[in-house]
Amino acid sequence: DSGVTQTPKHLITATGQRVTLRCSPRSGDLSVYWYQQSLDQGLQFLIQYYNGEERAKGNILERFSAQQFPDLHSELNLSSLELGDSALYFCASSSWDLGEQYFGPGTRLTVT
Amino acid sequence: DQQVKQNSPSLSVQEGRISILNCDYTNSMFDYFLWYKKYPAEGPTFLISISSIKDKNEDGRFTVFLNKSAKHLSLHIVPSQPGDSAVYFCAASARETSGSRLTFGEGTQLTVNP
Repeated sequence: DSGVTQTPKHLITATGQRVTLRCSPRSGDLSVYWYQQSLDQGLQFLIQYYNGEERAKGNILERFSAQQFPDLHSELNLSSLELGDSALYFCASSSWDLGEQYFGPGTRLTVT
Repeated sequence: DQQVKQNSPSLSVQEGRISILNCDYTNSMFDYFLWYKKYPAEGPTFLISISSIKDKNEDGRFTVFLNKSAKHLSLHIVPSQPGDSAVYFCAASARETSGSRLTFGEGTQLTVNP
C-alpha cells in the first residue's frame, strides 16, 4: 500500500460526458502527479501540482484540467469524453518536488 | 519519439537465478532513473533509483547499474523469487531542465518460475 488513494476505482461513461477523478496523496506529500496509461501509449505524464500550484504540464489535452486543493488532494477533470480517452489514470505523490513518486491504484475509465 | 525503451517485452527466469532487465534512453538530459514494478490491477510500485552521478545503486536483492556513455541502465534481481513476477518499468527524469516528470519505458514482463 503506497498510501496514495484514488477514487473511483472504475468509471464507465458515455462519449461527450464529463467525469472527475480524485486523488489523495500520501500524508505530508506536497507534489501530486497525474499519468495516463492507455494500451497503445504506455504511461504518459499529464500534469504536476506542488503545494496547490501547477508545476509542470505534459501531453494533457485542453479538454482535461486538474487542480490541487488546500488539503493537498487533487482532482482531474475530463470533459467532452471520447472513446480514445478510455485508459487507466494514475495519481502519484512525492514529498518534495524532485523526490521518488509513489503511485495510487489507478482509476480505470471506460468511455462507451 | 520513444525516449526510454525497454526492448524485451518479456523475460523468464528460474527461481534463485539472476534476472537482468534492460533499459535504453536517448535523451542526454535525463539525470535521474527509477525502476518500478507493477502487478495487474495495481499502481506501479517504486523499487530503486539512481542519480546520473553514480553508476551503481544497491538495495537488498535489487541493484541498478547505469552506463551513461551507452545511455543504458539495467536492473539486477538476485536471487529471483516467484513473487517478483510482474511488469517492470524503467523511468527517467531530466530534473535540471524538466523537473520531476517521469518518462516511462514500455515495460518488461518478468516471470520467475519455481
